[in-house]
Amino acid sequence: DSGVTQTPKHLITATGQRVTLRCSPRSGDLSVYWYQQSLDQGLQFLIQYYNGEERAKGNILERFSAQQFPDLHSELNLSSLELGDSALYFCASSRGGGGLDYGYTFGSGTRLTVV
Amino acid sequence: AQKITQTQPGMFVQEKEAVTLDCTYDTSDQSYGLFWYKQPSSGEMIFLIYQGSYDEQNATEGRYSLNFQKARKSANLVISASQLGDSAMYFCAMREPLGNEKLTFGTGTRLTIIP
Repeated sequence: DSGVTQTPKHLITATGQRVTLRCSPRSGDLSVYWYQQSLDQGLQFLIQYYNGEERAKGNILERFSAQQFPDLHSELNLSSLELGDSALYFCASSRGGGGLDYGYTFGSGTRLTVV
Repeated sequence: AQKITQTQPGMFVQEKEAVTLDCTYDTSDQSYGLFWYKQPSSGEMIFLIYQGSYDEQNATEGRYSLNFQKARKSANLVISASQLGDSAMYFCAMREPLGNEKLTFGTGTRLTIIP
């Protein structure tokens, strides 16, 4: 157990639908990151939150949004789903606050299948 | 923009042999961090080893070592005495400097250990 909890582990939904992926960071970590891993795009950074505030944005579609709550858990909302959104979505956490030291701790991922 | 290149899509190695996975990077920053992650078929991302750009010695973690050649901008992962459990995808990643903490990943190398 990495300490980062992602739910659900698997999700199958239809095109056009909306889903919410949840992440609880490791205890003491203030930063949460979301990544998408698909066969054609590889691992892509989506967005980062630090202590409730958005800190960095990557290749996140407008149909996607995220937030980090006061208890530091984070949710990634994916709407108007398309077949191409099928991917493994990772959450990772770190102490945050800058620094180049040890990397993140990744959760086990949510595998999203859009049919 | 930062870029990570892994030129070996797949490798087959005999059990107990050493293996080197190649990684080159491109950055104009002087301060950066380099990471290797292992992704077994189960999907989770497992942190293996870290090298800071200012670290003078190559990083080592058990059977893993990082051959860091700064002038060549390479950060190859060396696995000694390979085991069947080493069969997995391996990703090289780079972390941006202070204030922007996302990881940029390479496309990965699929390592298969042959008994």
